[in-house]
Amino acid sequence: DQQVKQNSPSLSVQEGRISILNCDYTNSMFDYFLWYKKYPAEGPTFLISISSIKDKNEDGRFTVFLNKSAKHLSLHIVPSQPGDSAVYFCAASEYRGGSNYKLTFGKGTLLTVNP
Amino acid sequence: DTAVSQTPKYLVTQMGNDKSIKCEQNLGHDTMYWYKQDSKKFLKIMFSYNNKELIINETVPNRFSPKSPDKAHLNLHINSLELGDSAVYFCASNRGLDEQFFGPGTRLTVL
Repeated sequence: DQQVKQNSPSLSVQEGRISILNCDYTNSMFDYFLWYKKYPAEGPTFLISISSIKDKNEDGRFTVFLNKSAKHLSLHIVPSQPGDSAVYFCAASEYRGGSNYKLTFGKGTLLTVNP
Repeated sequence: DTAVSQTPKYLVTQMGNDKSIKCEQNLGHDTMYWYKQDSKKFLKIMFSYNNKELIINETVPNRFSPKSPDKAHLNLHINSLELGDSAVYFCASNRGLDEQFFGPGTRLTVL
């Protein structure tokens, strides 16, 4: 039962254009969403996050949009650069009491930015 | 100056053996995690520890036993290894709602 879905396994864009990565979730208990970036043979690294009380968060070239009614979020990268080529994981956080939050990850989308 | 480190990076072993993977974080975080990324690329949480106390145990077989000697360390011991245990195992840590910092991963291959 996939609670976080990234339906596009891969995406290819030209350098300088916009990259849009999508993510859908099913669990209404998720209240915080994160995007992680992963290069081969390395661990995921945090990119950007958004609280469920917001619909947009921007950090430089990266913007995350949240549509809570549609249970959908997206990551926009503008302009895309070849160094952005990596696997992008969407993750959703669920509060488990105390200081514990459980992250559920999507399957990832491989972004390739062509020079 | 590595934030979250894991050893070993690669582990090749025979079925039925017992092995351990070590994780250390120098970020002063109080929560640590183990994740498994299987052949289908899903990254799934296995355990989380907060101040050496087990908080999350996601229906992982009893053959897997995490041990946290102190806040900075969370080791994973696996008994009677099976072919299906082959995966990349990631350790992570954080504080509260802050983002989790991941280690580089340990690729376990069971022959």
